[in-house]
Amino acid sequence: DQQVKQNSPSLSVQEGRISILNCDYTNSMFDYFLWYKKYPAEGPTFLISISSIKDKNEDGRFTVFLNKSAKHLSLHIVPSQPGDSAVYFCAARGLGAGSYQLTFGKGTKLSVIP
Amino acid sequence: NAGVTQTPKFRILKIGQSMTLQCTQDMNHNYMYWYRQDPGMGLKLIYYSVGAGITDKGEVPNGYNVSRSTTEDFPLRLELAAPSQTSVYFCASSPGGDSNYGYTFGSGTRLTVV
Repeated sequence: DQQVKQNSPSLSVQEGRISILNCDYTNSMFDYFLWYKKYPAEGPTFLISISSIKDKNEDGRFTVFLNKSAKHLSLHIVPSQPGDSAVYFCAARGLGAGSYQLTFGKGTKLSVIP
Repeated sequence: NAGVTQTPKFRILKIGQSMTLQCTQDMNHNYMYWYRQDPGMGLKLIYYSVGAGITDKGEVPNGYNVSRSTTEDFPLRLELAAPSQTSVYFCASSPGGDSNYGYTFGSGTRLTVV
């Protein structure tokens, strides 16, 4: 069973507009949520994170919103740029077998059209 | 500043062959991880280590082995390669299991078993 779900495999957005990537989770014990960005032939790179005790975290053009009651988080990119075209993974941190572990979603491929 | 280095980048194995995927980090991180990513799927944890001499199984450990003799190195061993192990393998590290900044990933090893 998937504990972290990204239901949109792909998303296309015009340059300059807002990109909204969504993520749902099922485990209420997750305490931290992270977004990773991945370019082809590279490893994922950390983008932004949010603690479960907050509802918003902002870093430049990137903002993550967390709705705990709905078990939903979203990543907003404003304005979107062609260099943002990549696969974005949502990840959730939980305590398992005595150690924190990350559970990843399947990813959403964002294409920003010039 | 190399970060996490994985070798080789690509490999084709025949069924039944064995190989070792190498992973080295130069950030003095205690925690290291091995993930695999199948097409259209998220990253799944194979094995992880919380320090030299300590390793533990993740979500999908069958068919793999690991060792952690030094802080820097965390090799992943495939003993009898099977087509189901065709995947992209990522090594990652973090200062601690509860790092709020996520993991640093290597660029991956693309393995094909034929």
